[in-house]
Amino acid sequence: GEDVEQSLFLSVREGDSSVINCTYTDSSSTYLYWYKQEPGAGLQLLTYIFSNMDMKQDQRLTVLLNKKDKHLSLRIADTQTGDSAIYFCAESKGSNYQLIWGAGTKLIIKP
Amino acid sequence: DVKVTQSSRYLVKRTGEKVFLECVQDMDHENMFWYRQDPGLGLRLIYFSYDVKMKEKGDIPEGYSVSREKKERFSLILESASTNQTSMYLCASSPPDNEQFFGPGTRLTVL
Repeated sequence: GEDVEQSLFLSVREGDSSVINCTYTDSSSTYLYWYKQEPGAGLQLLTYIFSNMDMKQDQRLTVLLNKKDKHLSLRIADTQTGDSAIYFCAESKGSNYQLIWGAGTKLIIKP
Repeated sequence: DVKVTQSSRYLVKRTGEKVFLECVQDMDHENMFWYRQDPGLGLRLIYFSYDVKMKEKGDIPEGYSVSREKKERFSLILESASTNQTSMYLCASSPPDNEQFFGPGTRLTVL
């Protein structure tokens, strides 16, 4: 079946790196996404990775994809209070309009 | 910038009332989606539409219907609201096989 799993919470100290993990089940997924939802707001696309890539870096964000293990991670370097949000992992299928969503990981920043 | 707007940020209705949630996008996207978001459950797809007057059931369509008479507008209808439909409702739009852009959400409370 189709399933995307994430931990519900992650707590890190300000200035440390945050690593949010996600596992998915469908090896035919073509794109994998990370969305960010700040309190009281809708979701915004943070970054995405094509399934034929292993890594993507964008400023403080690093996405790692392990296709063999069907594991996706999002690393946020030098975590700031503005990074407090819920982070959703999602996978898409090439011929389908739909995204399969994880439950979201709430990132909590400790001072 | 893509803009997806939702008619209300907060809505309070009584059990049995008919409720309309409106979503409008300004980027001529073919696809539009309605999700509900509940703590610990992430996003669950209610309905989506890939063209005017076309609709497909998502994972949890029971108790909901939709209408897409114009390309830019996708309406979610609760024919007879119930307390278990208290939730955050998120609308999204996308071009084919691409990232989804979200509205700010409507927090619906059914008393």
